[in-house]
Amino acid sequence: AQKITQTQPGMFVQEKEAVTLDCTYDTSDPSYGLFWYKQPSSGEMIFLIYQGSYDQQNATEGRYSLNFQKARKSANLVISASQLGDSAMYFCAMREPISNFGNEKLTFGTGTRLTIIP
Amino acid sequence: SAVISQKPSRDICQRGTSLTIQCQVDSQVTMMFWYRQQPGQSLTLIATANQGSEATYESGFVIDKFPISRPNLTFSTLTVSNMSPEDSSIYLCSAGTLGHTEAFFGQGTRLTVV
Repeated sequence: AQKITQTQPGMFVQEKEAVTLDCTYDTSDPSYGLFWYKQPSSGEMIFLIYQGSYDQQNATEGRYSLNFQKARKSANLVISASQLGDSAMYFCAMREPISNFGNEKLTFGTGTRLTIIP
Repeated sequence: SAVISQKPSRDICQRGTSLTIQCQVDSQVTMMFWYRQQPGQSLTLIATANQGSEATYESGFVIDKFPISRPNLTFSTLTVSNMSPEDSSIYLCSAGTLGHTEAFFGQGTRLTVV
């Protein structure tokens, strides 16, 4: 079974609108972390936001917020007030278990290509 | 945080040859990871590079094809051996650091095999 599922291969959004990118995950480990990365056409991976399985509050970082619904095993990324520079591939990823040592590998979803329309 | 420098950033290679990709981190890290991203695909872990021991390879990846070195806590190399066009991908180096849950990535190496 897929550990990380992103069901939207591509999305087109008008500039300045909000957009939600979907991500569902599958794990039996109570300790895990969920990540979103942005990959522009240059190929680099840019970390956006992190949510730990034990975190009570939804994570926020500037225009990015994570809608974490633990019972549904979903971790959707919300981008508010989209900008042209937001056009990129977006990957949801998971680490299980999660620690502060950074020793665990990441499992990635298939990604969503977001295109912002002026 | 950690800054990861990866080189070369891109290369075009002849089939049957080998390419070594270097990854340098600006701080000591325990684990370093090598990922492959085939065209239009997601990232797949090739192996985890441990300092002082052999790398741990994921299913479908073997040491003869992707030998990895990790001579110290800040540096690792990945070699893509006996290349074929199917090896054309972006190869990414990654590391985690103590006190940070997120993984940091190098800029990637965009490899084209002709």
